[in-house]
Amino acid sequence: AQSVAQPEDQVNVAEGNPLTVKCTYSVSGNPYLFWYVQYPNRGLQFLLKYITGDNLVKGSYGFEAEFNKSQTSFHLKKPSALVSDSALYFCAVRDLGGATNKLIFGTGTLLAVQP
Amino acid sequence: DTAVSQTPKYLVTQMGNDKSIKCEQNLGHDTMYWYKQDSKKFLKIMFSYNNKELIINETVPNRFSPKSPDKAHLNLHINSLELGDSAVYFCASSPNHGAGGYTFGSGTRLTVV
Repeated sequence: AQSVAQPEDQVNVAEGNPLTVKCTYSVSGNPYLFWYVQYPNRGLQFLLKYITGDNLVKGSYGFEAEFNKSQTSFHLKKPSALVSDSALYFCAVRDLGGATNKLIFGTGTLLAVQP
Repeated sequence: DTAVSQTPKYLVTQMGNDKSIKCEQNLGHDTMYWYKQDSKKFLKIMFSYNNKELIINETVPNRFSPKSPDKAHLNLHINSLELGDSAVYFCASSPNHGAGGYTFGSGTRLTVV
């Protein structure tokens, strides 16, 4: 079965510093991977996805993610963090086992950016 | 012009009551979903409909019953509400084909007292 793991419950970073939010995946075939962000009392917003092609994927708000097949990872990165980036981040993998297009989410990582 | 809209945004009700949450999407997507986010922020899929047909029915108590009158609407009805049903419920939609992600609604915070 497809799954994703986010090993960190929380990541703290100072404003202006680079940030990384980690995600590893487990799939039986080629992975379709996603990152979503949830701001307080809001729904989830799509940030970026990896389907195929370049391993470095660029997304919204200056975020990018690097697909690493050998390490089965899809870490989210940003060169310079903003206080407004503070939110809950979810990694997700698409279930390739059927035709349901089901997204399976990780447990989420709370990003806290200090001014 | 909201893409996926849910109503109500907040719902406080007593144990044993029956309540409904409505969801509508104007994106022309074929597939709609209900997710439950618990107090620890875990997201778990409950149901999915594709063109009004139920395609995902996870292990959910049968007190929960989804209804899709057309492909733009997916409502969630909950009977005999229990304290453990308190959570945020998110509706989402996606295209049927391709590798697109989901578009989420803003959520309905259900509190059972």
